[in-house]
Amino acid sequence: GESVGLHLPTLSVQEGDNSIINCAYSNSASDYFIWYKQESGKGPQFIIDIRSNMDKRQGQRVTVLLNKTVKHLSLQIAATQPGDSAVYFCAEGANTGNQFYFGTGTSLTVIP
Amino acid sequence: EPEVTQTPSHQVTQMGQEVILHCVPISNHLYFYWYRQILGQKVEFLVSFYNNEISEKSEIFDDQFSVERPDGSNFTLKIRSTKLEDSAMYFCASSISGGAGEQFFGPGTRLTVL
Repeated sequence: GESVGLHLPTLSVQEGDNSIINCAYSNSASDYFIWYKQESGKGPQFIIDIRSNMDKRQGQRVTVLLNKTVKHLSLQIAATQPGDSAVYFCAEGANTGNQFYFGTGTSLTVIP
Repeated sequence: EPEVTQTPSHQVTQMGQEVILHCVPISNHLYFYWYRQILGQKVEFLVSFYNNEISEKSEIFDDQFSVERPDGSNFTLKIRSTKLEDSAMYFCASSISGGAGEQFFGPGTRLTVL
Protein backbone atom coordinates (compact mmCIF):
# COMPACT_ATOMS: atom_id res chain seq x y z
CA GLY A 1 0.00 0.00 0.00
CA GLU A 2 0.99 3.61 -0.33
CA SER A 3 2.87 4.95 2.63
CA VAL A 4 1.50 8.13 4.12
CA GLY A 5 3.86 10.66 5.54
CA LEU A 6 3.39 14.05 7.01
CA HIS A 7 3.52 16.97 4.63
CA LEU A 8 5.81 19.36 6.42
CA PRO A 9 4.90 23.01 6.46
CA THR A 10 7.57 24.90 4.60
CA LEU A 11 8.99 28.36 5.03
CA SER A 12 11.32 30.09 2.60
CA VAL A 13 13.09 33.27 3.60
CA GLN A 14 15.74 35.48 2.13
CA GLU A 15 19.13 35.46 3.78
CA GLY A 16 19.26 38.23 6.34
CA ASP A 17 15.52 38.31 6.96
CA ASN A 18 13.93 37.20 10.20
CA SER A 19 12.12 33.85 10.36
CA ILE A 20 9.18 32.90 12.51
CA ILE A 21 8.29 29.24 12.94
CA ASN A 22 5.11 28.31 14.74
CA CYS A 23 4.02 25.30 16.71
CA ALA A 24 0.76 24.35 18.37
CA TYR A 25 1.04 21.97 21.28
CA SER A 26 -1.67 19.72 22.56
CA ASN A 27 -1.27 19.05 26.27
CA SER A 28 -2.31 21.76 28.70
CA ALA A 29 -0.30 19.99 31.39
CA SER A 30 2.98 20.39 29.50
CA ASP A 31 5.25 22.81 31.29
CA TYR A 32 8.48 22.54 29.39
CA PHE A 33 9.06 23.20 25.71
CA ILE A 34 12.03 22.78 23.44
CA TRP A 35 12.92 23.76 19.91
CA TYR A 36 15.13 21.43 17.93
CA LYS A 37 16.84 21.82 14.58
CA GLN A 38 17.34 18.78 12.38
CA GLU A 39 19.60 18.96 9.37
CA SER A 40 19.39 16.33 6.68
CA GLY A 41 20.93 13.05 7.80
CA LYS A 42 21.52 14.20 11.36
CA GLY A 43 19.84 13.88 14.72
CA PRO A 44 17.86 16.70 16.31
CA GLN A 45 19.95 19.47 17.80
CA PHE A 46 18.77 21.49 20.81
CA ILE A 47 18.27 25.16 20.05
CA ILE A 48 16.43 26.71 22.97
CA ASP A 49 13.96 25.78 25.69
CA ILE A 50 11.38 27.54 27.79
CA ARG A 51 9.46 26.66 30.93
CA SER A 52 5.81 27.44 31.35
CA ASN A 53 6.44 30.13 33.96
CA MET A 54 7.95 32.27 31.20
CA ASP A 55 6.47 33.68 28.02
CA LYS A 56 9.68 34.67 26.30
CA ARG A 57 13.26 33.54 26.27
CA GLN A 58 16.12 34.74 24.15
CA GLY A 59 19.24 33.02 22.95
CA GLN A 60 21.83 33.84 20.39
CA ARG A 61 19.83 35.03 17.34
CA VAL A 62 16.82 33.02 18.52
CA THR A 63 13.80 33.90 20.62
CA VAL A 64 11.09 31.54 21.79
CA LEU A 65 7.64 32.86 22.65
CA LEU A 66 5.11 30.85 24.61
CA ASN A 67 1.40 31.57 24.71
CA LYS A 68 -0.16 29.14 27.15
CA THR A 69 -3.64 30.52 26.64
CA VAL A 70 -3.79 29.25 23.07
CA LYS A 71 -1.13 26.57 23.48
CA HIS A 72 1.16 28.13 20.93
CA LEU A 73 4.91 28.28 20.68
CA SER A 74 7.02 30.20 18.20
CA LEU A 75 10.66 30.36 17.30
CA GLN A 76 12.06 33.55 15.89
CA ILE A 77 15.40 33.46 14.12
CA ALA A 78 17.02 36.82 13.53
CA ALA A 79 19.10 37.54 10.43
CA THR A 80 18.54 34.09 8.99
CA GLN A 81 21.59 32.49 7.40
CA PRO A 82 21.93 29.66 4.86
CA GLY A 83 23.18 27.42 7.67
CA ASP A 84 19.80 27.79 9.34
CA SER A 85 18.16 25.75 6.58
CA ALA A 86 16.78 22.66 8.31
CA VAL A 87 13.63 21.14 9.74
CA TYR A 88 12.61 22.70 13.05
CA PHE A 89 10.63 20.76 15.64
CA CYS A 90 9.01 21.85 18.83
CA ALA A 91 8.69 19.35 21.64
CA GLU A 92 6.56 19.47 24.77
CA GLY A 93 6.88 17.65 28.02
CA ALA A 94 6.79 17.86 31.76
CA ASN A 95 9.51 19.73 33.60
CA THR A 96 9.97 16.74 35.90
CA GLY A 97 9.49 13.97 33.36
CA ASN A 98 11.64 12.44 30.67
CA GLN A 99 9.07 11.86 27.95
CA PHE A 100 8.77 14.49 25.26
CA TYR A 101 6.35 14.76 22.38
CA PHE A 102 7.58 16.20 19.14
CA GLY A 103 5.59 18.26 16.68
CA THR A 104 5.46 17.61 12.97
CA GLY A 105 8.21 20.05 12.09
CA THR A 106 8.63 22.96 9.69
CA SER A 107 11.11 22.92 6.85
CA LEU A 108 13.00 26.20 6.65
CA THR A 109 14.84 27.09 3.45
CA VAL A 110 17.07 30.14 3.40
CA ILE A 111 17.56 31.65 -0.02
CA PRO A 112 21.00 33.21 -0.45
CA GLU B 1 33.33 18.60 21.73
CA PRO B 2 31.83 15.44 23.22
CA GLU B 3 29.09 13.82 21.20
CA VAL B 4 26.75 10.86 21.22
CA THR B 5 27.78 8.16 18.78
CA GLN B 6 25.68 5.39 17.30
CA THR B 7 26.53 2.23 15.41
CA PRO B 8 25.83 0.97 12.87
CA SER B 9 24.74 3.90 10.74
CA HIS B 10 22.54 1.55 8.70
CA GLN B 11 21.22 -1.86 9.66
CA VAL B 12 19.34 -4.12 7.28
CA THR B 13 17.58 -7.16 8.70
CA GLN B 14 14.99 -9.74 7.82
CA MET B 15 11.58 -9.62 9.42
CA GLY B 16 11.54 -11.72 12.58
CA GLN B 17 15.23 -11.28 13.28
CA GLU B 18 16.63 -9.67 16.40
CA VAL B 19 18.61 -6.47 16.12
CA ILE B 20 20.69 -4.57 18.60
CA LEU B 21 21.38 -0.90 18.07
CA HIS B 22 24.37 0.57 19.82
CA CYS B 23 24.92 3.96 21.37
CA VAL B 24 27.73 5.54 23.32
CA PRO B 25 26.32 8.47 25.28
CA ILE B 26 28.39 11.44 26.40
CA SER B 27 30.56 10.20 29.22
CA ASN B 28 29.35 12.32 32.14
CA HIS B 29 25.68 12.07 31.24
CA LEU B 30 23.33 10.15 33.48
CA TYR B 31 20.09 9.98 31.49
CA PHE B 32 19.73 8.06 28.27
CA TYR B 33 16.97 7.92 25.70
CA TRP B 34 15.87 6.20 22.55
CA TYR B 35 13.65 7.81 19.94
CA ARG B 36 12.55 6.69 16.54
CA GLN B 37 11.55 8.57 13.42
CA ILE B 38 9.70 6.75 10.70
CA LEU B 39 10.49 8.28 7.31
CA GLY B 40 8.57 11.49 6.86
CA GLN B 41 7.00 11.36 10.30
CA LYS B 42 7.49 12.83 13.75
CA VAL B 43 10.26 11.97 16.12
CA GLU B 44 8.69 9.62 18.70
CA PHE B 45 9.85 8.97 22.22
CA LEU B 46 10.51 5.32 23.03
CA VAL B 47 12.17 5.10 26.41
CA SER B 48 14.27 6.89 29.01
CA PHE B 49 16.80 5.20 31.25
CA TYR B 50 18.41 6.33 34.48
CA ASN B 51 20.29 4.61 37.24
CA ASN B 52 20.24 1.31 35.36
CA GLU B 53 16.52 1.16 34.95
CA ILE B 54 13.78 2.41 32.69
CA SER B 55 12.31 5.64 34.03
CA GLU B 56 9.65 6.19 31.38
CA LYS B 57 8.49 4.42 28.25
CA SER B 58 5.92 5.08 25.57
CA GLU B 59 3.21 2.83 24.20
CA ILE B 60 5.49 2.01 21.29
CA PHE B 61 8.01 0.42 23.64
CA ASP B 62 6.31 -2.94 24.01
CA ASP B 63 7.68 -6.33 25.00
CA GLN B 64 9.59 -6.59 21.73
CA PHE B 65 11.89 -3.78 22.87
CA SER B 66 14.46 -3.76 25.59
CA VAL B 67 17.31 -1.51 26.63
CA GLU B 68 20.50 -2.25 28.43
CA ARG B 69 23.60 -0.53 29.67
CA PRO B 70 25.95 -3.50 29.57
CA ASP B 71 29.00 -1.56 30.67
CA GLY B 72 29.96 1.94 31.69
CA SER B 73 29.81 3.37 28.21
CA ASN B 74 27.33 1.57 25.96
CA PHE B 75 23.57 1.89 25.83
CA THR B 76 21.75 -0.56 23.59
CA LEU B 77 18.29 -0.96 22.14
CA LYS B 78 17.22 -4.48 21.28
CA ILE B 79 14.28 -5.40 19.11
CA ARG B 80 13.58 -9.09 19.57
CA SER B 81 11.58 -9.95 16.49
CA THR B 82 11.58 -7.15 13.97
CA LYS B 83 8.53 -6.22 11.97
CA LEU B 84 8.31 -4.28 8.73
CA GLU B 85 6.89 -1.32 10.62
CA ASP B 86 10.01 -1.13 12.78
CA SER B 87 11.84 0.35 9.82
CA ALA B 88 12.85 3.84 10.93
CA MET B 89 15.72 6.03 12.09
CA TYR B 90 16.53 5.30 15.69
CA PHE B 91 18.11 8.11 17.66
CA CYS B 92 19.90 7.76 20.95
CA ALA B 93 20.18 10.79 23.21
CA SER B 94 21.74 11.56 26.56
CA SER B 95 21.55 14.34 29.10
CA ILE B 96 23.25 15.31 32.34
CA SER B 97 19.94 15.82 34.09
CA GLY B 98 16.48 14.50 33.45
CA GLY B 99 13.32 16.51 32.89
CA ALA B 100 14.21 19.98 31.73
CA GLY B 101 17.74 19.11 30.75
CA GLU B 102 19.25 19.51 27.31
CA GLN B 103 19.32 16.24 25.44
CA PHE B 104 22.14 15.58 23.00
CA PHE B 105 21.21 13.37 20.08
CA GLY B 106 23.34 10.96 18.15
CA PRO B 107 23.35 10.81 14.34
CA GLY B 108 20.92 7.89 14.29
CA THR B 109 20.83 4.33 12.98
CA ARG B 110 18.68 3.67 9.97
CA LEU B 111 16.97 0.31 10.45
CA THR B 112 15.51 -1.35 7.38
CA VAL B 113 13.41 -4.45 7.90
CA LEU B 114 12.83 -6.54 4.80
